[in-house]
Amino acid sequence: GENVEQHPSTLSVQEGDSAVIKCTYSDSASNYFPWYKQELGKRPQLIIDIRSNVGEKKDQRIAVTLNKTAKHFSLHITETQPEDSAVYFCAASSETSYDKVIFGPGTSLSVIP
Amino acid sequence: NAGVMQNPRHLVRRRGQEARLRCSPMKGHSHVYWYRQLPEEGLKFMVYLQKENIIDESGMPKERFSAEFPKEGPSILRIQQVVRGDSAAYFCASSPRAYNEQFFGPGTRLTVL
Repeated sequence: GENVEQHPSTLSVQEGDSAVIKCTYSDSASNYFPWYKQELGKRPQLIIDIRSNVGEKKDQRIAVTLNKTAKHFSLHITETQPEDSAVYFCAASSETSYDKVIFGPGTSLSVIP
Repeated sequence: NAGVMQNPRHLVRRRGQEARLRCSPMKGHSHVYWYRQLPEEGLKFMVYLQKENIIDESGMPKERFSAEFPKEGPSILRIQQVVRGDSAAYFCASSPRAYNEQFFGPGTRLTVL
């Protein structure tokens, strides 16, 4: 089945700097890749997603890139703010896995004011 | 349109008792997913259901755990004869179709004494 790895597990950046989180997946049939943000004690919420027919997607300060050949995708957050501090999960989904979404282990991002 | 509802939000059980967790998906959503999250860990897929059908239960322990999503009413995750290791946050999520954003509920925090 699908396996999603995520690095780093923790990330600390200064306010205003950029943050990059990288994920790899194992199932070459995966074609949907969402990213979720989970603040302490809260529910996960989708922040951006990308499908396999595009290589990059951007939404204001957040961008995601996908390399299907290498089976990896990344989240980029620019001009980080303290409210970006949270745990970020990448995920992957494919038809061969009955559309279920498999999550990476998460990255705890701390933005230092 | 109310979001995904879960109840109870907190549930305390003694070893050997049964736990019933309820999830009402967003209106119009026919896909429901259950996840387990241990403290400071990621989201582990348990089961994926559509109305009256279990699509994928590969993440659910073979014994003591069961799930259903009846034609009428909420989805239920049932844990029989709970043990301390079952203590975790259980999140459900719903979506209107596959390969689509999953909307998470607030979670049920189960504590087994």
